[in-house]
Amino acid sequence: AQSVSQHNHHVILSEAASLELGCNYSYGGTVNLFWYVQYPGQHLQLLLKYFSGDPLVKGIKGFEAEFIKSKFSFNLRKPSVQWSDTAEYFCAVSISGGYQKVTFGIGTKLQVIP
Amino acid sequence: DAGVTQSPTHLIKTRGQQVTLRCSPKSGHDTVSWYQQALGQGPQFIFQYYEEEERQRGNFPDRFSGHQFPNYSSELNVNALLLGDSALYLCASSLFTDTQYFGPGTRLTVL
Repeated sequence: AQSVSQHNHHVILSEAASLELGCNYSYGGTVNLFWYVQYPGQHLQLLLKYFSGDPLVKGIKGFEAEFIKSKFSFNLRKPSVQWSDTAEYFCAVSISGGYQKVTFGIGTKLQVIP
Repeated sequence: DAGVTQSPTHLIKTRGQQVTLRCSPKSGHDTVSWYQQALGQGPQFIFQYYEEEERQRGNFPDRFSGHQFPNYSSELNVNALLLGDSALYLCASSLFTDTQYFGPGTRLTVL
């Protein structure tokens, strides 16, 4: 079975700082990878996804993630965070071509200080 | 275009009771998945319905059951509620194996 590990559970950054959230998965086969975001008081929203092709994926609001197959990693990055990026971020994985059981990480709470 | 909707928003039950949660998928979607999100945790997969059948199931006891209707909407039933069932229950819809889109969730509190 697949699993997801998120390295940081709580991150505090000042506005304009760069962000990188770590995510590693365990599964020997082909996977689909996702980052979801949950803003305060809102429901889970898709930030970006990787199914195949270019391993550098760009999402909404200036976020991007890079799939490194050899490292089983899918880290999320943003060059300059804003206060409005304060949210909880979840990395998730599903098995490619299969039914979409999505396995989530524990989540990382990002707090951006103005 | 309406997204995924869930009802009710909040629910309070006592131990031993039964509960039914409802989900309407995003327009055009035919697959519904249910997740349990405990406080401080990521969502945990309960099961998935496609063509009115349970296609995959996570590590949850038989007290958790579901149903999908011909219009693709779905219900999650939990019997013999335990305190540990208190959580946010999320419904996600997709077009078969494509990306899942989540609803706002139902907050269940078991006393």
